[in-house]
Amino acid sequence: DSGVTQTPKHLITATGQRVTLRCSPRSGDLSVYWYQQSLDQGLQFLIQYYNGEERAKGNILERFSAQQFPDLHSELNLSSLELGDSALYFCASSVTPRGQEQYFGPGTRLTVT
Amino acid sequence: AQTVTQSQPEMSVQEAETVTLSCTYDTSENNYYLFWYKQPPSRQMILVIRQEAYKQQNATENRFSVNFQKAAKSFSLKISDSQLGDTAMYFCAFMNDYGGATNKLIFGTGTLLAVQP
Repeated sequence: DSGVTQTPKHLITATGQRVTLRCSPRSGDLSVYWYQQSLDQGLQFLIQYYNGEERAKGNILERFSAQQFPDLHSELNLSSLELGDSALYFCASSVTPRGQEQYFGPGTRLTVT
Repeated sequence: AQTVTQSQPEMSVQEAETVTLSCTYDTSENNYYLFWYKQPPSRQMILVIRQEAYKQQNATENRFSVNFQKAAKSFSLKISDSQLGDTAMYFCAFMNDYGGATNKLIFGTGTLLAVQP
């Protein structure tokens, strides 16, 4: 157990819908990273937050957004969902913004039908 | 742009034997980190080992060790005394070290390792 929690574990929704994925970092970690793992794209970095502020963006679609709250938990919002958004979404956390030691949560499996 | 290449999609090893997984990367930077992550059937991503590029000594963690060849941009993982629980997808990952700035992990495509009894 990495200490990073993600909810829900599984999510099934229809195209065009909006979902929110939640992540709680390890105790004491200020930095949260979101990654997407899909069959065609592999593992890709989406976005990073550090102590409530956005630090970096990767291959994140405009339909996707995220935020980190004062209690340091983070949410990833996915809207206007398409079939191709079906993937495993990971959250990782680290103590520092440099992220040289990132610990991953168990992931949320999103299926868009 | 940095890239990570894992040329072995699948490998198999007998229990108690040794196996080496290959990884090459491409970067023009001098300061970076390299990682091996394990993803068992549960899908959890588990950090196996980390190597700082400025360190010449190869990292080791119990049965796991790396062979880091900076000039060749090669970073292989050796698993000794393989156990059934080592069966998993193994990802090689790269991260630039920009000091205080943020750094993202760049992953290879993975090597599926099967440990046979």
